[in-house]
Amino acid sequence: AQSVTQPDIHITVSEGASLELRCNYSYGATPYLFWYVQSPGQGLQLLLKYFSGDTLVQGIKGFEAEFKRSQSSFNLRKPSVHWSDAAEYFCAVGGLASSASKIIFGSGTRLSIRP
Amino acid sequence: GAVVSQHPSRVICKSGTSVKIECRSLDFQATTMFWYRQFPKQSLMLMATSNEGSKATYEQGVEKDKFLINHASLTLSTLTVTSAHPEDSSFYICSASLPTGLNTEAFFGQGTRLTVV
Repeated sequence: AQSVTQPDIHITVSEGASLELRCNYSYGATPYLFWYVQSPGQGLQLLLKYFSGDTLVQGIKGFEAEFKRSQSSFNLRKPSVHWSDAAEYFCAVGGLASSASKIIFGSGTRLSIRP
Repeated sequence: GAVVSQHPSRVICKSGTSVKIECRSLDFQATTMFWYRQFPKQSLMLMATSNEGSKATYEQGVEKDKFLINHASLTLSTLTVTSAHPEDSSFYICSASLPTGLNTEAFFGQGTRLTVV
């Protein structure tokens, strides 16, 4: 069965420090992979997506993610976080039932920023 | 990018009543829309796939008679929570995708916060 695992429930980093949020997926075929961010009480914003091609994907707000098939991972990184990055981050996999837009979400990682 | 709009953004209803949530694709036609539910501090759980002109496909454990989905046009899907109870209070989000072959990305609405009192 398709699944997405985000092993870190809550991460706190200092402003200006680097960030890596982990994501592992289980999927039988080539997945479509996404990272979304959600601020409290708000909807979802797409940070970046991987469909095919270059395994290092650049997104908005200075985020990037690297698809590693051998590790079934799609970790999100940012070299220097800002206080405004505090939010909930969801890794997600699509491509289910031949539809990339049917998405299964991970449990989320809450990011806090230490001043 | 494509825009998906949900209405209302917030709604409070009394137990036993029904409430309808609309999901519209504003600048594209969506043959397929998806409905998700998010409980506080939890992830988004897929509830159902809404197909234009046909019956919705519900995920396991989702009561189709309680969560009525109607996708009557290529730009509108509605989710009706019938006989609402306090445990139905949640954040409901829809998504829509462009027709297959043009773009496989899902575009999300801004969500509807339902409170049942």
